[in-house]
Amino acid sequence: GAGVSQTPSNKVTEKGKYVELRCDPISGHTALYWYRQSLGQGPEFLIYFQGTGAADDSGLPNDRFFAVRPEGSVSTLKIQRTERGDSAVYLCASSFSGSLFYEQFFGPGTRLTVL
Amino acid sequence: GESVGLHLPTLSVQEGDNSIINCAYSNSASDYFIWYKQESGKGPQFIIDIRSNMDKRQGQRVTVLLNKTVKHLSLQIAATQPGDSAVYFCAESSGGSNYKLTFGKGTLLTVNP
Repeated sequence: GAGVSQTPSNKVTEKGKYVELRCDPISGHTALYWYRQSLGQGPEFLIYFQGTGAADDSGLPNDRFFAVRPEGSVSTLKIQRTERGDSAVYLCASSFSGSLFYEQFFGPGTRLTVL
Repeated sequence: GESVGLHLPTLSVQEGDNSIINCAYSNSASDYFIWYKQESGKGPQFIIDIRSNMDKRQGQRVTVLLNKTVKHLSLQIAATQPGDSAVYFCAESSGGSNYKLTFGKGTLLTVNP
């Protein structure tokens, strides 16, 4: 079956612009996670959804970052007024439930470059 | 182009040798640990996990050892193959959380044929 998919695979934008990054989780997975991975670093937790609600958004770096999951499936990570420091690979993962008894399956990521 | 792993610890081994990748963690409340493999251009892929009530767990060609006394985790790969070349991350669940993963910095493993 299909794994986690993310679009676009690459996004280049200019400083100050708004971007949206999309994640399609594995069908039936109720838990969805966003991570950010800077070059040479491990992924950093951003936000966790259980169903439609953001159960934990403590990893979002500031109020320019926002994520939604209106129907409990597809999620969109939104970044306003992008800055060069936002350049990174944004990873999405999903799992059957929000417990580490269930493996998190990662997508290939969206590479965001802010010029 | 970009060089993934420019600042990563590296390990280079010959095909067929055993590999040992190490990871130190700092949170004594962490009770669950996972090793991930990440190939270039892909997301992390689960390899093996271990809970804090265990000190060893074996999978297919892989073994994870946990030493809670010194907060150290290791991944042993037997008979390393060229397809094992990747960046390996350890991750831990934050104390009190059963879903949030905290990743280490990663180790780049290169297998020479």
